[in-house]
Amino acid sequence: DQQVKQNSPSLSVQEGRISILNCDYTNSMFDYFLWYKKYPAEGPTFLISISSIKDKNEDGRFTVFLNKSAKHLSLHIVPSQPGDSAVYFCAASLIDDNAGNMLTFGGGTRLMVKP
Amino acid sequence: ETGVTQSPTHLIKTRGQQVTLRCSSQSGHNTVSWYQQALGQGPQFIFQYYREEENGRGNFPPRFSGLQFPNYSSELNVNALELDDSALYLCASTPDSMNTEAFFGQGTRLTVV
Repeated sequence: DQQVKQNSPSLSVQEGRISILNCDYTNSMFDYFLWYKKYPAEGPTFLISISSIKDKNEDGRFTVFLNKSAKHLSLHIVPSQPGDSAVYFCAASLIDDNAGNMLTFGGGTRLMVKP
Repeated sequence: ETGVTQSPTHLIKTRGQQVTLRCSSQSGHNTVSWYQQALGQGPQFIFQYYREEENGRGNFPPRFSGLQFPNYSSELNVNALELDDSALYLCASTPDSMNTEAFFGQGTRLTVV
């Protein structure tokens, strides 16, 4: 049962344009959502997060939107730069009696920003 | 401030063997979580250690076990290795067990042949 899904395995965008990465989840108990960026041969790097009580969080070129009724979140990158090319993971946080504070990850979306 | 470091970076083991992976948490972080990332998938939660105690566990069999030491570094042990255990193993640390913004190491690539 995949509780966090990223339905687009890859996305190609022109430099300077907007990149929109999408994520859907099924568990309404998730209380925090995060986006991580991963380059090859490196661990995931934290990018931006949003609490379940908010609908938007912005940090520079990165904005995360949360639509709780649709159980959907998205990451907007404006403007996209070639250095943004990486795999992006959506993750959801849940404090579970059996599993502690665990992150549940989506399968990732590979973003390619073309110069 | 040192980040999360993992060793070794790559490892090849034979089916049935045992393996130990190591992780040093970020300075000041007392909580360590381990994740398994199979090829083409997102990381999956294995377990979490908080102040030397297992604080939670994902859907992994008992042959996956761990330890956390007084300096908050951690080990992941896997017994009776199976081919499907081939994956990238990621360690993440947080300042405490309630914090969600985890800092990840570069991972250990385990190949079971």
